[in-house]
Amino acid sequence: DGGITQSPKYLFRKEGQNVTLSCEQNLNHDAMYWYRQDPGQGLRLIYYSQIVNDFQKGDIAEGYSVSREKKESFPLTVTSAQKNPTAFYLCASSGLAGGTQYFGPGTRLLVL
Amino acid sequence: GQQVMQIPQYQHVQEGEDFTTYCNSSTTLSNIQWYKQRPGGHPVFLIQLVKSGEVKKQKRLTFQFGEAKKNSSLHITATQTTDVGTYFCAGSYSGGGADGLTFGKGTHLIIQP
Repeated sequence: DGGITQSPKYLFRKEGQNVTLSCEQNLNHDAMYWYRQDPGQGLRLIYYSQIVNDFQKGDIAEGYSVSREKKESFPLTVTSAQKNPTAFYLCASSGLAGGTQYFGPGTRLLVL
Repeated sequence: GQQVMQIPQYQHVQEGEDFTTYCNSSTTLSNIQWYKQRPGGHPVFLIQLVKSGEVKKQKRLTFQFGEAKKNSSLHITATQTTDVGTYFCAGSYSGGGADGLTFGKGTHLIIQP
């Protein structure tokens, strides 16, 4: 059963805390992406990775960090430096840059 | 960077009415894709258009790619409540786009029964 998974579905963060969102894919895709979506808004690119051990900042990378140690995995850390982290976070993958993107179910992050 | 403008942001229709959303890029696109996001869900790929002037249909949905490959539209005939959601266009640019697709801000389709 191929696809892209994200966990957890809901995540609560306390002030000053770092949290990590998981993204795994078994589609054998090279490219992976992280987007942030605020209520009623579009998708804003946080980070992307075209190959293992390489990643690039997107439009709103401040306060976030990523790693790409394995092809299948692209975790996103929301650091305490991100002052307004409450949002819906979507991970996606594609076989090629510019190709069709397959999205995970998303993680809703709430700040307590 | 590249931008894809999408209008309208919101569209209210009565069930059974038609709906259209438009996307426009200032530069030529390599291809354009359309995605649908149901309320509370994640974007799901609908279709990709590659050729100049291309028209594709999926049941009540008609997708068009402009002759200059700078604009695209999605038209839904006789909307149903199952069509509710946000429709995004996403463009790919030749020679670049290592960051993948450039998404429009989406059109939220709200249907009143």
